[in-house]
Amino acid sequence: GDSVTQMEGPVTLSEEAFLTINCTYTATGYPSLFWYVQYPGEGLQLLLKATKADDKGSNKGFEATYRKETTSFHLEKGSVQVSDSAVYFCALPNTGTASKLTFGTGTRLQVTL
Amino acid sequence: DTGVSQNPRHKITKRGQNVTFRCDPISEHNRLYWYRQTLGQGPEFLTYFQNEAQLEKSRLLSDRFSAERPKGSFSTLEIQRTEQGDSAMYLCASSSQGGETQYFGPGTRLLVL
Repeated sequence: GDSVTQMEGPVTLSEEAFLTINCTYTATGYPSLFWYVQYPGEGLQLLLKATKADDKGSNKGFEATYRKETTSFHLEKGSVQVSDSAVYFCALPNTGTASKLTFGTGTRLQVTL
Repeated sequence: DTGVSQNPRHKITKRGQNVTFRCDPISEHNRLYWYRQTLGQGPEFLTYFQNEAQLEKSRLLSDRFSAERPKGSFSTLEIQRTEQGDSAMYLCASSSQGGETQYFGPGTRLLVL
């Protein structure tokens, strides 16, 4: 079945450092891919998405490129801030009509001054 | 549009008691999803409604769980005879017909003592 694998956290970075969070997927066909972010004690917020191969999703300085060849959707940001501290989830919709999402286990990011 | 709302935000109950959670989706979204998230894990799909019809249920949804969406608007998730293993964050999401992007509510955190 469809699955998502994320790099394990926590990832600890100093403010203004470069961020990469790896995500690879297994899926039938070429589904859309999503990154969601979860701040402490809150629900999930959509961060960005890409709908087809080579698409780049971007939002709030975060970017991710849909790589069909490597089945990857790595999240990057050039300069992280303390306010980016959260848990990041990679996700894809299952094939079929329901489009229920399959999530990775999440990667916790901690940014320090 | 105020987004997806969930009530209550927190619930503490004793083992064996029944609990009910409510989700109000984004207006005009006809798809509604329930997920469960345990500590350190990504959300896992529980069930899905299109309008008032419950179209899919996960194997995670035991007989003690029941969900309804009587008029195709808000939804309720009831857990009967709660167990300590039911302690988790219960997330609701909604999407439009044919839309892959799901928008999440803040979640209801359940603690079963």
